Amino acid sequence: GAVVSQHPSWVICKSGTSVKIECRSLDFQATTMFWYRQFPKQSLMLMATSNEGSKATYEQGVEKDKFLINHASLTLSTLTVTSAHPEDSSFYICSASWTRFTDTQYFGPGTRLTVL
Amino acid sequence: TQLLEQSPQFLSIQEGENLTVYCNSSSVFSSLQWYRQEPGEGPVLLVTVVTGGEVKKLKRLTFQFGDARKDSSLHITAAQTGDTGLYLCADAGGTSYGKLTFGQGTILTVHP
Repeated sequence: GAVVSQHPSWVICKSGTSVKIECRSLDFQATTMFWYRQFPKQSLMLMATSNEGSKATYEQGVEKDKFLINHASLTLSTLTVTSAHPEDSSFYICSASWTRFTDTQYFGPGTRLTVL
Repeated sequence: TQLLEQSPQFLSIQEGENLTVYCNSSSVFSSLQWYRQEPGEGPVLLVTVVTGGEVKKLKRLTFQFGDARKDSSLHITAAQTGDTGLYLCADAGGTSYGKLTFGQGTILTVHP
């Protein structure tokens, strides 16, 4: 149980275009989802926290207008990278938890974004 | 702001050797988690420790939580090539949103 999927697993796009990444909890309802960014050989950096039905909370330094997060249902959250640039190339990972009051997060397999 | 420091950052060993990875915090951990991440995949939870002085074992992995709950270690006995990966510690406390604060990670490479 507690499976989280991401789609796509990898994407290549041209500079200036927008890319949407989906995060789904397959066998549980995720009240809270988290989006992380990871550069090669580095740790995970939390970008934002999204709660179903409400606006996402962004970490300091993360541009909310560039990284649009929508958590429209209890099983789906999306991250849209708008007007992507090469410096946005990274590994994006989501995680989900069934309640905000737990320390257990289930991680997705990640999405590799390459912006040309 | 809590700072989690992991050491060493890189570890390259031969199969069969033992190793220890450390995680230290500038403040007391609420609870501490250890993850392992393979390239191109999401992190996988190995263990959660909560009580100071706690020791947990997972096959060849031994996790210790310091008495003061400000440090932890992960010891691997007789490392195998399949242990290769990025090891991350994380503080699972903080706000009511359950945010994780990750350490910088230790990249372990086990050579055959």
